[in-house]
Parts: sequence; structure tokens; C-alpha cells
Amino acid sequence: EVQLQESGPGLVKPSQSLSLTCSVTGYSITSNYWGWIRKFPGNKMEWMGYISYSGSTSYNPSLKSRISITRDTSKNQFFLQLNSVTTEDTATYYCARGGGPGDYWGQGVMVTVSS
Amino acid sequence: DTVLTQSPALAVSPGERVTISCRASESVSTLMHWYQQKPGQQPKLLIYKASNLASGVPARFSGSGSGTDFTFTIDPVEADDIATYYCHQSWNSDTFGAGTKLELK
Repeated sequence: EVQLQESGPGLVKPSQSLSLTCSVTGYSITSNYWGWIRKFPGNKMEWMGYISYSGSTSYNPSLKSRISITRDTSKNQFFLQLNSVTTEDTATYYCARGGGPGDYWGQGVMVTVSS
Repeated sequence: DTVLTQSPALAVSPGERVTISCRASESVSTLMHWYQQKPGQQPKLLIYKASNLASGVPARFSGSGSGTDFTFTIDPVEADDIATYYCHQSWNSDTFGAGTKLELK
């Protein structure tokens, strides 16, 4: 069974970088697409970007200057880095399989940006 | 950005049929997908590419539409279906609708 699990700090200070890991079991990240999505307080959802089976990336234009998605195929993990965070980046962050519809999702990790 | 406008919260009774709409600000072909999310859980894919039932999803759920107008139907509604439903387009720089909260009458 495909399973995804997010991990990372739950609290980040403004202006710092947010770094999250998505660990995948039951399926190789060298196949398919792998994305990051976040849900803000108030329930708005935002697609952040994805990394493909070949390692190419696509990002939400509104985040393009601050976001980076990378991977470690030896550990079957992919990563999110979001730079220069503000309180507006406070959200629950999900990783998911799929570049279009996400058919498997992690449980999500809540990240608060606060000093 | 392609804006997705969903119908507002809906109140239903078990056994009824309910339809949720999602209108896109520009055509997204059939690259519209629907998710169910319950409090404290991750989204669950129900319908992909407008009308295709995701694996393991009961046939009570269905979707239709193309271009800018899409509908998602539950028939009949069960008590366990109480959740928030999101549409998501992947035609042009993925975006999500604001969600439709399904409540019990």
C-alpha cells in the first residue's frame, strides 16, 4: 500500500526557511509525480508544486521565488523548502502522489510561523 | 489564476440526492477532480478527470461536466458523507475551490 508521511518542525520564525520531508513507502518516487499542497486556517487550499519521476519540477507562480522541491531517491523521500516565510505561511502542509489529481496523501503537518 | 467557484454549504438528510457545483473562470477541459475531507483527516480523492470514480469509492458518488461547469453528486447521501468537498483543476496551474461543507438537516 502506498503511504506518505510528512515530517518537520511545527514552528518556524518569520524570515526563516520552512523545510519539510515526505517519506514514501510502497511505491517508488522515480515513478509518477509528487506534490506539496497546503491548507490555510479558514480552509483555503493551495497547490504549491510538484517534482516528477525524472526530477523535473513545477511550481505555483505565486511561490516561484521562494519554493524549492527536491528529492532523495535512495531514501524514497522528497522535500519542500519555502524561504522567507511570514505569518501568512501558517498552514497544514500535505504531500501527495500525483501531478494532477492526488490519489494518495499524507496525514499533513501543521506549521505555524511565529516569533 | 483559474478561479473555481463552488456552491455554498448545503444541508441534507440521509437518503437524499445532493449536487455540488463548481464553476471555473476559464475552461479546464475535463481536468477537474473532487475530494472529500473530514476534520483532522487528509483529503480523499473521489472523482478524477470530471467523471471517473477513484479506486474503492462507492458508486453513490459521481461527477460530470467539461469546460467551465462541473457537478458532483452523492445519491443517496449517507450520514458518513458529512464532510467538506473540494474541486481541483489541473489544466492550468492547479487551483482549488473554496470547499462546500455538507451538513445534516
